[in-house]
Amino acid sequence: DARVTQTPRHKVTEMGQEVTMRCQPILGHNTVFWYRQTMMQGLELLAYFRNRAPLDDSGMPKDRFSAEMPDATLATLKIQPSEPRDSAVYFCASGLGSRGTQPQHFGDGTRLSIL
Amino acid sequence: SQKIEQNSEALNIQEGKTATLTCNYTNYSPAYLQWYRQDPGRGPVFLLLIRENEKEKRKERLKVTFDTTLKQSLFHITASQPADSATYLCALDLNTDKLIFGTGTRLQVFP
Repeated sequence: DARVTQTPRHKVTEMGQEVTMRCQPILGHNTVFWYRQTMMQGLELLAYFRNRAPLDDSGMPKDRFSAEMPDATLATLKIQPSEPRDSAVYFCASGLGSRGTQPQHFGDGTRLSIL
Repeated sequence: SQKIEQNSEALNIQEGKTATLTCNYTNYSPAYLQWYRQDPGRGPVFLLLIRENEKEKRKERLKVTFDTTLKQSLFHITASQPADSATYLCALDLNTDKLIFGTGTRLQVFP
């Protein structure tokens, strides 16, 4: 079965450091989503792309977060500078779009701890 | 804004019984509703999708209902097994490719 691959699986770093998370979506999927999951807030959408173009990043703190898709096989989420409140699990998902009629396929996440 | 509510308390049931999980939503009328399963340390996995004009959808031991008047979806697992223990998330479409997720209900099935 095709899977969404995320790296790294775990990241521990100190406040102020740059963090880069990577995602390889399923080949052929045209939409890519970045989510953050915490116990308090659940799963929150940060940003998403269709055909590599950013469509919505309203869920991201713009001053420190950035999301890009350099090519169809790679999506990145960067935090600079990182803060302890950014500690969470970050998920990437890919899909075929089409307004809720298609499932989203999730990776197993990057567990981020900012000390 | 849209709001989804799922039982925050864990649901504990005995093996063989039917588990019923609830998803309530307000301030919105989604055209589609999806259910996902999430195991510890893993990403959510899609289970079922139901459309607003479908009252019920089944897949093996799973059944989902969608009541647009009550603004509620029920998710049933019949003949539950310990392997069904996980957190179950409901998600609504937002008239775009985006989904809004509930916080999930943890199900524990005891042998």
